[in-house]
Amino acid sequence: SAVISQKPSRDICQRGTSLTIQCQVDSQVTMMFWYRQQPGQSLTLIATANQGSEATYESGFVIDKFPISRPNLTFSTLTVSNMSPEDSSIYLCSVEDRRVGPNEKLFFGSGTQLSVL
Amino acid sequence: GNSVTQMEGPVTLSEEAFLTINCTYTATGYPSLFWYVQYPGEGLQLLLKATKADDKGSNKGFEATYRKETTSFHLEKGSVQVSDSAVYFCALSPSQGGSEKLVFGKGTKLTVNP
Repeated sequence: SAVISQKPSRDICQRGTSLTIQCQVDSQVTMMFWYRQQPGQSLTLIATANQGSEATYESGFVIDKFPISRPNLTFSTLTVSNMSPEDSSIYLCSVEDRRVGPNEKLFFGSGTQLSVL
Repeated sequence: GNSVTQMEGPVTLSEEAFLTINCTYTATGYPSLFWYVQYPGEGLQLLLKATKADDKGSNKGFEATYRKETTSFHLEKGSVQVSDSAVYFCALSPSQGGSEKLVFGKGTKLTVNP
């Protein structure tokens, strides 16, 4: 199964600044995703990070606020731009590893806990 | 649309107690259902899954049965251990084919005391 390293694990940021979260996978994976978990809420898919093309964003999320890079098949970044306290959440990277069986191929990083003051 | 509702936590049990975490869903078509577990400081891990009605997923002593008639996928374990302390997430995938675009419940934190 894929091993995912996500960093930073946590950060405290000032309003109006930006934070870039990195996700590194130990093997080439086709699909990479970014999720958000707001306090007391469920995980919500932000976008699918596409290698070599622009990310595909879910309803309610836009590229200007959450720019995503995917320069190769093992690495992606998510930037949270112009942060406000409402952006305080846990952000999770996940990948699809097709080497494992169907319906078992989604793996998650340990998350980045972001607090915006 | 698709949604998952799971039991509010936190849940605190003594070791060897019986565990049930309720999960119900709303979906069109034939979703796949999952339970994920997040141990402290780690990423989410797939615990078990079921892809069609009446399927029972099981792993590490945990079980859940896909009940289409009640749109439920309750997680059970007969005798919990301290090491089961974690946050448990129920999730669905809108299709039987994949787990990419999962819809998650809010998570239920379980603490097991010795």
